[in-house]
Amino acid sequence: DAGVTQSPTHLIKTRGQQVTLRCSPKSGHDTVSWYQQALGQGPQFIFQYYEEEERQRGNFPDRFSGHQFPNYSSELNVNALLLGDSALYLCASSWGGPPAFFGQGTRLTVV
Amino acid sequence: AQSVTQLDSQVPVFEEAPVELRCNYSSSVSVYLFWYVQYPNQGLQLLLKYLSGSTLVKGINGFEAEFNKSQTSFHLRKPSVHISDTAEYFCAVSDAGGTSYGKLTFGQGTILTVHP
Repeated sequence: DAGVTQSPTHLIKTRGQQVTLRCSPKSGHDTVSWYQQALGQGPQFIFQYYEEEERQRGNFPDRFSGHQFPNYSSELNVNALLLGDSALYLCASSWGGPPAFFGQGTRLTVV
Repeated sequence: AQSVTQLDSQVPVFEEAPVELRCNYSSSVSVYLFWYVQYPNQGLQLLLKYLSGSTLVKGINGFEAEFNKSQTSFHLRKPSVHISDTAEYFCAVSDAGGTSYGKLTFGQGTILTVHP
C-alpha cells in the first residue's frame, strides 16, 4: 500500500499563474483533506472533500478550489498565485476518523 | 475559534531520558485532541488521539498523552527516548463530533532532538 501520494513534489510558478496539485488517498480511504504549511508553522486547513463534495472549508480565499474524483483522488487548484502562497501543501486521507497519514506534500514556490 | 499552543519550539534530550512535549489548547466547545509526528522528509503520521473516555491515551512507539480538561492541556510523554524519535511533533485539535475530523487546528510544532 503506497499510502497517501502527492504530485508533483516540487513546483515553481510565477505570480499570477495557476497551479494544480494532485493527491491519491490511501487505499480504502474516501475522505481527502488539504492543508497549507508555511515554513516554520503548523499546517492550516484549506478544505475537505467527501463523496466528491466540499464538506468543510477553512479561511482561504476563493482562489483556492478543489475537486474529488469518483476514485477518491483529489486536486487542489490555486488561481492568481501570490508570493504568499509559497508553502508546503499537504494532503491527508481518512475513512470515518481523523487523518492518520499525510502525504509528503508538494513544495510550491511562487516567484 | 480554536487555537493550539505548543510551549516549546525545540526540545533537546539525551537518549534513554524521559521527555514531555507540552500542548495547551483553547476552544469554546468540546474537542478531540491529536498528536502527529513528522520525520525528516516525510508526511505527518498520527501518534495518538483523544476522543472520549480515559484521559490517558497510549499511542504508537511508546508515546502517551494525558488530557487535562481543567488545564486545557494535552501533553505528550515518553519515558525513554531513542535516537529514532528525533522528529517534529505537532499537537492538533478539532471540534468533537459531526464531520469535523478533517478540520484540524495545529500548533506550530516542537522539534525533538535526541542526542546519543
